[in-house]
Amino acid sequence: AQSVTQLDSQVPVFEEAPVELRCNYSSSVSVYLFWYVQYPNQGLQLLLKYLSGSTLVKGINGFEAEFNKSQTSFHLRKPSVHISDTAEYFCAVSDKGYSTLTFGKGTMLLVSP
Amino acid sequence: NAGVTQTPKFQVLKTGQSMTLQCAQDMNHEYMSWYRQDPGMGLRLIHYSVGAGITDQGEVPNGYNVSRSTTEDFPLRLLSAAPSQTSVYFCASSKSRTSSGNTIYFGEGSWLTVV
Repeated sequence: AQSVTQLDSQVPVFEEAPVELRCNYSSSVSVYLFWYVQYPNQGLQLLLKYLSGSTLVKGINGFEAEFNKSQTSFHLRKPSVHISDTAEYFCAVSDKGYSTLTFGKGTMLLVSP
Repeated sequence: NAGVTQTPKFQVLKTGQSMTLQCAQDMNHEYMSWYRQDPGMGLRLIHYSVGAGITDQGEVPNGYNVSRSTTEDFPLRLLSAAPSQTSVYFCASSKSRTSSGNTIYFGEGSWLTVV
């Protein structure tokens, strides 16, 4: 069994400021890690994923995440946010060998001018 | 490209009614799954399928049935709707296991209200 904890339900930030959305996971086996973004009343869009290799993963829209195996974390970062980044962000894990995901409860990123 | 198509997008049901949420993908994906999204809960897996004729339960399967008679379609049936099934439902598909680096694609969602 695996679980995902997103430590913040809401993160308010001003435009052009940096942001970090935190994600920790628990699993008895090796996992793959994902971040998805959901804009209001829309489906989910993949931001980035970690399967193997470099622990720093770059995604779309200027986002990046770092996999830290010792801390079982996969925090999402962006050096300068825009109003258009306002959305809900979900961290998810997948057991190797499967194509289903276990999601965190989501973090709402609120970017204000 | 259609991708993953869900219908209907919005539906209001009365308690006890049955209905089917449709999901179709045109990418020849083997793997398909259904999730429900509730406020503050993230997305939770209802049922999934690794190929035609093969289905299995996820985290929250009670009250839902699925079947996979074709590769393209994976309908989700609510047998007797309850207010607790008010939610947003997402269908997802992928070509094969994520270990192959395949992306999981999501539909646009189906908003269901049970009154």
